[in-house]
Amino acid sequence: AQKVTQAQTEISVVEKEDVTLDCVYETRDTTYYLFWYKQPPSGELVFLIRRNSFDEQNEISGRYSWNFQKSTSSFNFTITASQVVDSAVYFCALRDAGGTSYGKLTFGQGTILTVHP
Amino acid sequence: EAQVTQNPRYLITVTGKKLTVTCSQNMNHEYMSWYRQDPGLGLRQIYYSMNVEVTDKGDVPEGYKVSRKEKRNFPLILESPSPNQTSLYFCASSLSRTGGSPLHFGNGTRLTVT
Repeated sequence: AQKVTQAQTEISVVEKEDVTLDCVYETRDTTYYLFWYKQPPSGELVFLIRRNSFDEQNEISGRYSWNFQKSTSSFNFTITASQVVDSAVYFCALRDAGGTSYGKLTFGQGTILTVHP
Repeated sequence: EAQVTQNPRYLITVTGKKLTVTCSQNMNHEYMSWYRQDPGLGLRQIYYSMNVEVTDKGDVPEGYKVSRKEKRNFPLILESPSPNQTSLYFCASSLSRTGGSPLHFGNGTRLTVT
């Protein structure tokens, strides 16, 4: 069975601080995909990034960066110089590559990030 | 604009009154799915569809029905809603069921059953 754990339930930072959201996953599949989604206060789920299990390169997109380490089954998300608009719930998620879980996206419980001005 | 559209955004109803939440995508995606989000329980899959006329149960299907008569539409039907179905519902779609294609979500439907 697949499992995603986001140990940090809530994080509170002051604007311009860097913050890292942790994600640890479990799967028996050798090929899989990891995702991060953002849920702002308005409620929608916004896709941020996809990473496949064969690609351990870190990725940077503006103030966002992702660190994938297969050896520790982790896919952590760092926001550099946080802003108030980053306040949201962030979800890490896992999907198998071959469709054996019939396309289901397994979500972590989410981390509530609050950025104070 | 590529999107998944859910309606209504908010819905308050009474126990036992049948309702339908509509979902439509304009991306020609094969795969569609419904999730519900509840505090403390996270996001759980209700039903999914791998293509037209192909649907199956997710983790929490009790009390729900779906249909996939056309590729773009995947309505969620509550035949006899109960208060424990009060939740935030999301429809999602992806190109296929395999992992490489990300799920794109609608804006959500907040349902309250009294």
